[in-house]
Amino acid sequence: DQQVKQNSPSLSVQEGRISILNCDYTNSMFDYFLWYKKYPAEGPTFLISISSIKDKNEDGRFTVFLNKSAKHLSLHIVPSQPGDSAVYFCAASPPYGGSQGNLIFGKGTKLSVKP
Amino acid sequence: NAGVTQTPKFQVLKTGQSMTLQCAQDMNHNSMYWYRQDPGMGLRLIYYSASEGTTDKGEVPNGYNVSRLNKREFSLRLESAAPSQTSVYFCASTETGLLGEQFFGPGTRLTVL
Repeated sequence: DQQVKQNSPSLSVQEGRISILNCDYTNSMFDYFLWYKKYPAEGPTFLISISSIKDKNEDGRFTVFLNKSAKHLSLHIVPSQPGDSAVYFCAASPPYGGSQGNLIFGKGTKLSVKP
Repeated sequence: NAGVTQTPKFQVLKTGQSMTLQCAQDMNHNSMYWYRQDPGMGLRLIYYSASEGTTDKGEVPNGYNVSRLNKREFSLRLESAAPSQTSVYFCASTETGLLGEQFFGPGTRLTVL
């Protein structure tokens, strides 16, 4: 059973507009959430994160929103640029124990930003 | 700093052959991970090593073994490769206190015929 779900395999957006990528999770004990970006033939790279005690974190054009009651987070990219075209993975971190530092990934959403 | 390096970049094996994927990091991180990425499946954890001298199974460990050779190096071994192990393999590392932020290598693309 998937604990982190990205239900949209792909998203296409016009350059300059907002991109919204969504992620749902099932385990209310997750205490940290991260977004990774992956270009073809490269490893994923960390983009932005949010602690479960916050509802918003902003870094330049990237903002992550967390709605704990809905177990939902979203990544907003404003304005979108062609260089943002990549696969975006949502990930969640369990709170403690031997698996601390481990991440559970969603399946990814491929974002295409058209000029 | 090179970050996380992986060798080889590409490999083709025949069913039943064995091989070892190498991973090294120069960030002095305690924890290291091996993932596989398959189309439509995201990243799935194979094995991880929370610290030097320890290893634990992840979500999909069957058919693999790992060795944490020292703090820098974490290898993944396929003893008898199967076509189902055709995938892209990523190694990652992190440090306690980085709150889950993992640093990934460039990946190894493995094909098993």
